[in-house]
Amino acid sequence: SQTIHQWPATLVQPVGSPLSLECTVEGTSNPNLYWYRQAAGRGLQLLFYSVGIGQISSEVPQNLSASRPQDRQFILSSKKLLLSDSGFYLCACISAYNEQFFGPGTRLTVL
Amino acid sequence: AQKITQTQPGMFVQEKEAVTLDCTYDTSDPSYGLFWYKQPSSGEMIFLIYQGSYDQQNATEGRYSLNFQKARKSANLVISASQLGDSAMYFCAMREGPTNAGKSTFGDGTTLTVKP
Repeated sequence: SQTIHQWPATLVQPVGSPLSLECTVEGTSNPNLYWYRQAAGRGLQLLFYSVGIGQISSEVPQNLSASRPQDRQFILSSKKLLLSDSGFYLCACISAYNEQFFGPGTRLTVL
Repeated sequence: AQKITQTQPGMFVQEKEAVTLDCTYDTSDPSYGLFWYKQPSSGEMIFLIYQGSYDQQNATEGRYSLNFQKARKSANLVISASQLGDSAMYFCAMREGPTNAGKSTFGDGTTLTVKP
């Protein structure tokens, strides 16, 4: 079964600083990968998804970007963080049995 | 229009009793899947149960069952014999169509508190 790794687990960054969150997947090949953000007490908002290396689709206009340099690696980035970028970021993939697996998440606080 | 609606921001249930968490959805796609996830305070998202739009029977997984009423577009989660460890946030989600690249839409969640 799939395992999703995310790091770091928590991050505190000043406004205007860059961001790089990494997600790697084990136990599958050519997965669809997703980045979600969760505001406090809310549901998940899909930010980006990728169906293959170098293929990125953005769901909402924002200050963030995503890249998929390798089959099982998905990176979320920003050149300059905003206060509104604070949240809980979750990476996910879908199994062959249609289950969506999530990573442990990164809690980002922008001050 | 919101695709997934969870109308109960918070619910309380006595330990060992059953509880129903509501979820309604909106889609024009005949092919879709409905999911429930549990999110404890640690933040991890735990998959609980899945119902396909063409499934004839309601899905069940241990103490979890999904009350799927297609005509009403509802997919309520029923937890039987509640345990203290069931206290968490619960999310309903939908994935539409085979060409959707697997994107899921989530509701805003219901916080369930199990009282001893």
